[in-house]
Amino acid sequence: GDSVTQMEGPVTLSEEAFLTINCTYTATGYPSLFWYVQYPGEGLQLLLKATKADDKGSNKGFEATYRKETTSFHLEKGSVQVSDSAVYFCALLPDSNYQLIWGAGTKLIIKP
Amino acid sequence: NAGVTQTPKFRVLKTGQSMTLLCAQDMNHEYMYWYRQDPGMGLRLIHYSVGEGTTAKGEVPDGYNVSRLKKQNFLLGLESAAPSQTSVYFCASSYSILALYQPQHFGDGTRLSIL
Repeated sequence: GDSVTQMEGPVTLSEEAFLTINCTYTATGYPSLFWYVQYPGEGLQLLLKATKADDKGSNKGFEATYRKETTSFHLEKGSVQVSDSAVYFCALLPDSNYQLIWGAGTKLIIKP
Repeated sequence: NAGVTQTPKFRVLKTGQSMTLLCAQDMNHEYMYWYRQDPGMGLRLIHYSVGEGTTAKGEVPDGYNVSRLKKQNFLLGLESAAPSQTSVYFCASSYSILALYQPQHFGDGTRLSIL
C-alpha cells in the first residue's frame, strides 16, 4: 500500500545551517505531497504542498520539490533559525482516496 | 479566531474507565477528523465525518466511537479505556475532504494516558 518514509530524528543543527529533511514515498498513480509542521505544544500546520511532478512548494523559506523519478519530496531551508525547531511531517494524498498518509515525523532542534 | 479547539488538553484515566474528548470548530467546516499520534509513527485516522449526523471509520477505529450531532462539534468516546489507547489525540477540520484544496486545520491536541 501507499506509504511515506522520513529520516529519523532528531536532527540537530546550529543556527544559519542548511537543512535537509528527507522524505520518500510509495504510491501508485499521481499523489499530492505535503509538509506539515508541529511547533511545541501546538497542532499541525500545513507548511507547503505540491500537486504534480516537478512542482516546487515553498513557504517561510522552506522548499520541497516533487520528484517522481526518485519518489521523493525532501524539505530544504538555506538558513535555519531557532524558531524553526519543531517536528516536521511529510504526508501523501493518494489520487484514489481522500485519506492522508503520514510519515512518522522528524524532530528538528536548532541551537543558537 | 479560535479555529479548532480541543478539550481537555490532558487527562489520565484508569483502565476500564470511559471518557469523551470534545472537538469544536468555528469555521463552518463540513469535514472533521480524529487522529491519534504515537511515538515513531505518523498520524493515524480514527474516525471522520463528512457532515452533521454522519460518521465513518478511518484506519484505526476499534475501541472508539464518535458522534457529530452538531456541525461544529465532533466527539470522540472511549467506552472502556485500555493502556494501548495512551496517545496524543488530534482533531482536525476542513472545508473540503480534498486536503489538496483546503488544508486541514488542527487543534492543539489532547494528551491521554491510560494507567
